[in-house]
Amino acid sequence: GQQLNQSPQSMFIQEGEDVSMNCTSSSIFNTWLWYKQEPGEGPVLLIALYKAGELTSNGRLTAQFGITRKDSFLNISASIPSDVGIYFCAGDPKSNFGNEKLTFGTGTRLTIIP
Amino acid sequence: GAGVSQSPRYKVAKRGQDVALRCDPISGHVSLFWYQQALGQGPEFLTYFQNEAQLDKSGLPSDRFFAERPEGSVSTLKIQRTQQEDSAVYLCASSKGTGGNTEAFFGQGTRLTVV
Repeated sequence: GQQLNQSPQSMFIQEGEDVSMNCTSSSIFNTWLWYKQEPGEGPVLLIALYKAGELTSNGRLTAQFGITRKDSFLNISASIPSDVGIYFCAGDPKSNFGNEKLTFGTGTRLTIIP
Repeated sequence: GAGVSQSPRYKVAKRGQDVALRCDPISGHVSLFWYQQALGQGPEFLTYFQNEAQLDKSGLPSDRFFAERPEGSVSTLKIQRTQQEDSAVYLCASSKGTGGNTEAFFGQGTRLTVV
């Protein structure tokens, strides 16, 4: 099935560094979501974006909904050890998500080097 | 319970065996989703229920896959005559589904290994 393209695939950073990852699609989505998944767990929602051009923050996380509705990025500032995990973007063709299937990205694995 | 509960957490099946995976959604959640997550990949949509009605099953990979939610609460994903390519984590998610930006909460998943 279709998966959104995420880059980079993996990141190795030092604690305190800022992180940036992005997600692109060949088709338009009306809602963009960012999830984090830790080993043995299901994805947990971090940020939801509902409007093209929207910039939304959640603590140290900032995400933007691309103006073309075909991309999104996620930034994490001042990384800490508990940020380790796999980050997934997801797109929803509808503008009121929760009642529609999501298309997930391929994931970005974040590792913090001691 | 407080969250989405899936059982079993791990299942090893011999090729050709039938398996049944269970999902207990958050109480009162109307919408329920099943996703398949292959190793190193993002989750892929399988099917969606609103109460007991299966509204979308477009993601089911073959007719060996069958899902039900007979009373609008617990759901079961059944895979008949399992194949090695069925090995994956099967995730269940539920949401209030009352319309308008309702978050879907995921369970921990069932890891299926077909040998």
